[in-house]
Amino acid sequence: AQSVTQLDSQVPVFEEAPVELRCNYSSSVSVYLFWYVQYPNQGLQLLLKYLSGSTLVKGINGFEAEFNKSQTSFHLRKPSVHISDTAEYFCAVSVSGSSASKIIFGSGTRLSIRP
Amino acid sequence: GAVVSQHPSRVICKSGTSVKIECRSLDFQATTMFWYRQFPKKSLMLMATSNEGSKATYEQGVEKDKFLINHASLTLSTLTVTSAHPEDSSFYICSASPLSVDTEAFFGQGTRLTVV
Repeated sequence: AQSVTQLDSQVPVFEEAPVELRCNYSSSVSVYLFWYVQYPNQGLQLLLKYLSGSTLVKGINGFEAEFNKSQTSFHLRKPSVHISDTAEYFCAVSVSGSSASKIIFGSGTRLSIRP
Repeated sequence: GAVVSQHPSRVICKSGTSVKIECRSLDFQATTMFWYRQFPKKSLMLMATSNEGSKATYEQGVEKDKFLINHASLTLSTLTVTSAHPEDSSFYICSASPLSVDTEAFFGQGTRLTVV
């Protein structure tokens, strides 16, 4: 069965500093990997996704993630964060491996930006 | 892009009553939709898979008689919380993927249910 582990429940960062949100997954089959962002009392917005091909994936709002198969990781990075990046970030993996429709989420990482 | 709409966005109901939440794919058809529940400051837990024209598939630990799911058409799935109790208060989110493009799930904006 697939699972996702987000190692940090909270990450405080100063504005304009770089940030990395960690994510590890486990699966016996190929999977799709995702990062979603959730602003307070809102739904989910897709930041980026890895399906195949290049292991470095660029998403919206300046975020990027790198798929590392040997380490089963998909860490999210941004070189310089803004106050507006304050939100909950979820790493996710598709269950079937060949479809993105059924998704299992990690526990989430709350990113708080300090001025 | 594909749009999934949930209604209502917020609902308050009394204990013992039932509440229906709608999930609609506005510009695509979906044979399968998914319902998630999110507790405060927690992750999203998959509750069930809604299958058009057939019974929903529930995840372990989810009471199917408590959370009734109906997927009557290719664009609409409903989740009914029956005989609601305060512990059912939560944020419920649905998702769906277009039949022709299944490399991304699209999420509704969520429904915040408060049972008083």
